[in-house]
Amino acid sequence: GENVEQHPSTLSVQEGDSAVIKCTYSDSASNYFPWYKQELGKRPQLIIDIRSNVGEKKDQRIAVTLNKTAKHFSLHITETQPEDSAVYFCAAPPSGGYQKVTFGTGTKLQVIP
Amino acid sequence: DAGITQSPRYKITETGRQVTLMCHQTWSHSYMFWYRQDLGHGLRLIYYSAAADITDKGEVPDGYVVSRSKTENFPLTLESATRSQTSVYFCASSEWGRDTEAFFGQGTRLTVV
Repeated sequence: GENVEQHPSTLSVQEGDSAVIKCTYSDSASNYFPWYKQELGKRPQLIIDIRSNVGEKKDQRIAVTLNKTAKHFSLHITETQPEDSAVYFCAAPPSGGYQKVTFGTGTKLQVIP
Repeated sequence: DAGITQSPRYKITETGRQVTLMCHQTWSHSYMFWYRQDLGHGLRLIYYSAAADITDKGEVPDGYVVSRSKTENFPLTLESATRSQTSVYFCASSEWGRDTEAFFGQGTRLTVV
């Protein structure tokens, strides 16, 4: 997607290990940084988000960190479980002031039991 | 039922035919979006709408037409379907566009033969 780079495109981890996915953006105007999870054959759904006045947010095993100076935000999943296997998307900052929502290219996470 | 629904869920059409994908939301969200999802390309924005009668192009608008005469509906029309338009299409809505959560429909799998 435009305005954001998401890495890696695929990630395999052993069950119980941690996974980190990173998105780098170019437009400093953004103030909302969400992450979506899409299980196979399902619709994308928001799993966690953060606003620019906060550096980190946690929700049980998942967390999002934001570095506005470096213009990147990351998704952290600890103690991974097989049900974490999915494609994860970050949403891109706005371009030119429009409120359209565009996404990173996605990261396919595979948790190996 | 409250939420966002797409119809049909599955569609097979022939090259050159016109086909319309429907999207309906019950939240009165201002913003609505259409994406296509293809392997290796993530979610690509086709068109979006900020309100009734306000629409704009996304990343891949060629070959598609949208309208939004009512806040709750956002149909997507393929004027003359091509095989390259075979894809899974997702509709989404959000209250205020980029800075709020996007809610996705269940998707429409379109095959053009």
